[in-house]
Amino acid sequence: DTAVSQTPKYLVTQMGNDKSIKCEQNLGHDTMYWYKQDSKKFLKIMFSYNNKELIINETVPNRFSPKSPDKAHLNLHINSLELGDSAVYFCASSPLQGAAYEQYFGPGTRLTVT
Amino acid sequence: AQSVTQLDSHVSVSEGTPVLLRCNYSSSYSPSLFWYVQHPNKGLQLLLKYTSAATLVKGINGFEAEFKKSETSFHLTKPSAHMSDAAEYFCVVRLKGGFKTIFGAGTRLFVKA
Repeated sequence: DTAVSQTPKYLVTQMGNDKSIKCEQNLGHDTMYWYKQDSKKFLKIMFSYNNKELIINETVPNRFSPKSPDKAHLNLHINSLELGDSAVYFCASSPLQGAAYEQYFGPGTRLTVT
Repeated sequence: AQSVTQLDSHVSVSEGTPVLLRCNYSSSYSPSLFWYVQHPNKGLQLLLKYTSAATLVKGINGFEAEFKKSETSFHLTKPSAHMSDAAEYFCVVRLKGGFKTIFGAGTRLFVKA
């Protein structure tokens, strides 16, 4: 069974559109995350969320917003897509929010904005 | 400021020879340290982690890493490389609270037959 899954795997869209990426984890974890991996493979955390707290990386544009319908899902909504949003987006989860806990990553969604 | 430096962007070894991937960190706090591997077009998989217990940590697939506080290093090693080890490796620091997660720039490991 897939622990952390994301859909879609590939997403090609035009500038200005609004799109969503879905993430689900079946590990029973409390905390979920979104990461962005750029073309140079550099990974940057975007959001951290558990049922009590959303933490946002201050460098993330407010066009990006996470939405969590329940503990097992954390979707990423992106408004007014720009060329620079093209990247691979990874969802992850961890048992709790503390630094000692490893994160389990999804397979990634490759977003291409044209 | 906290940071992670992977000293080599690329490492090339022959199959059956040792692997050394270097990572140095800078942190004001006692960090938790991780190594992840990413195979082409795949997600990240945890290799091992250090969280203030034993300084020599063993992970999956024969990998291990040693935490050296005096050198602020957490280098990843494997005695004998296998072709399937060819991938991108990331050293990661997580600081108190967990949100402050910093990835190194990655080291691409090539394994020659």
